[in-house]
Amino acid sequence: GESVGLHLPTLSVQEGDNSIINCAYSNSASDYFIWYKQESGKGPQFIIDIRSNMDKRQGQRVTVLLNKTVKHLSLQIAATQPGDSAVYFCAEKPLGNQFYFGTGTSLTVIP
Amino acid sequence: GAVVSQHPSRVICKSGTSVKIECRSLDFQATTMFWYRQFPKKSLMLMATSNEGSKATYEQGVEKDKFLINHASLTLSTLTVTSAHPEDSSFYICSATGSNQPQHFGDGTRLSIL
Repeated sequence: GESVGLHLPTLSVQEGDNSIINCAYSNSASDYFIWYKQESGKGPQFIIDIRSNMDKRQGQRVTVLLNKTVKHLSLQIAATQPGDSAVYFCAEKPLGNQFYFGTGTSLTVIP
Repeated sequence: GAVVSQHPSRVICKSGTSVKIECRSLDFQATTMFWYRQFPKKSLMLMATSNEGSKATYEQGVEKDKFLINHASLTLSTLTVTSAHPEDSSFYICSATGSNQPQHFGDGTRLSIL
């Protein structure tokens, strides 16, 4: 029924502040990682990716940090805006075609 | 950029009806497509993985006779929910990936069974 699945952690930030969303991944063989943003009633959208030979990658207002030692991924959003309110998922890709998704974090931006 | 189109976006139908959802990759060859189910405020639950031209691989607990998946071409996969019942009501999302492609998602299908 409707209770199946993991509950999403939540994060609330003030508009204009920076947001940091964290993700712990499980497979040390994963060599490619993606952050997705999912708005209500829509499918996840690609935000930014990073390969395992990097530890940081920057996009427009977003930065992804990768710490392979502790298998940790983070997404930093600068100057968070109300339009950033959404659920954010990290995904890891070991060898092969399949991605494995984290539980997701629900970000709420307070105007 | 690469786009995945999912159709229909919304379905409301009576219990016992079979419903087909299409997932198309519009500008790349999708060697692998994935079907997910998502409940409100919950994470994505992988239902099955389908590779073009072969049978889908279902996750544990997903009934393959209930959720029929076909991936007959490199641009199209379909999910058919057979004899749908109210407990099948959910948000179904497909995604596609190919060579040197991240996983791209469709916009999902909201299925409501009365």
